[in-house]
Amino acid sequence: DAKTTQPPSMDCAEGRAANLPCNHSTISGNEYVYWYRQIHSQGPQYIIHGLKNNETNEMASLIITEDRKSSTLILPHATLRDTAVYYCIVRGNNAGNMLTFGGGTRLMVKP
Amino acid sequence: NAGVTQTPKFRILKIGQSMTLQCAQDMNHNYMYWYRQDPGMGLKLIYYSVGAGITDKGEVPNGYNVSRSTTEDFPLRLELAAPSQTSVYFCASSASSGRGPEQFFGPGTRLTVL
Repeated sequence: DAKTTQPPSMDCAEGRAANLPCNHSTISGNEYVYWYRQIHSQGPQYIIHGLKNNETNEMASLIITEDRKSSTLILPHATLRDTAVYYCIVRGNNAGNMLTFGGGTRLMVKP
Repeated sequence: NAGVTQTPKFRILKIGQSMTLQCAQDMNHNYMYWYRQDPGMGLKLIYYSVGAGITDKGEVPNGYNVSRSTTEDFPLRLELAAPSQTSVYFCASSASSGRGPEQFFGPGTRLTVL
C-alpha cells in the first residue's frame, strides 16, 4: 500500500471549513484513499473514501487530484466536536482489507 | 446493533501474567482485526481474521495469540505480559465484500503492564 504524508497538526476556527491535505504520490491505480478520525482516544471512525472521483457524504467531502497523487478532506463547517486526529490511508486490494495507519493530522477547532 | 464491543475497558497486569482481551461484533462481518496504539502514535495491526477458523499475522504479532471459532468473537491472548505491551488495544470488523468496505472500531481496552 502507498505511503501517505500529512501535516502533524492544523488549527481551524469554529464554523469555518477545515481543509486537511494528504500526499500519496506513489499511489497505484487500484488503491483507494480512505479517511478516518480518532476523537480523544476513542476507536477510529470512518469518514469517507474514494478512488478517483470526488466524493461527498454527510460528514465531509473528499477531493482527489486528477493525477491522484494528493487529496484533501474538507469539513465544511467545523465544530468543536471535530477536534480529532485525522488519518489519511491508501489501501489496495490486500487479502484482509487491512489499513495501515500513519501519524495523522491533529486538527484543533478553536472557538 | 451494539456494533463492536470490547472487554475489559481497563486492566493492569503484572509482568508475566496472562490475560484475554475480548472482542465481539453483531454485524455479521467476516473480517476482524486487532490493533494496538502506543501514546502519540498511529494504530499498528497485530492480527486479523478473514473468517471463522482463519487468522493471520499483522505487523506486530509477537507476544500475542488469537483464535476465531465463531464469526462474532475474536479474542486476543497475551501469554506472558511485558511492559512493552502497555498500550491501548482496538478491535475492528468489516464486511468482506463491497466497494472499499469500512472498518468499524470498538471503544478500546487500555492495558498497563507493571
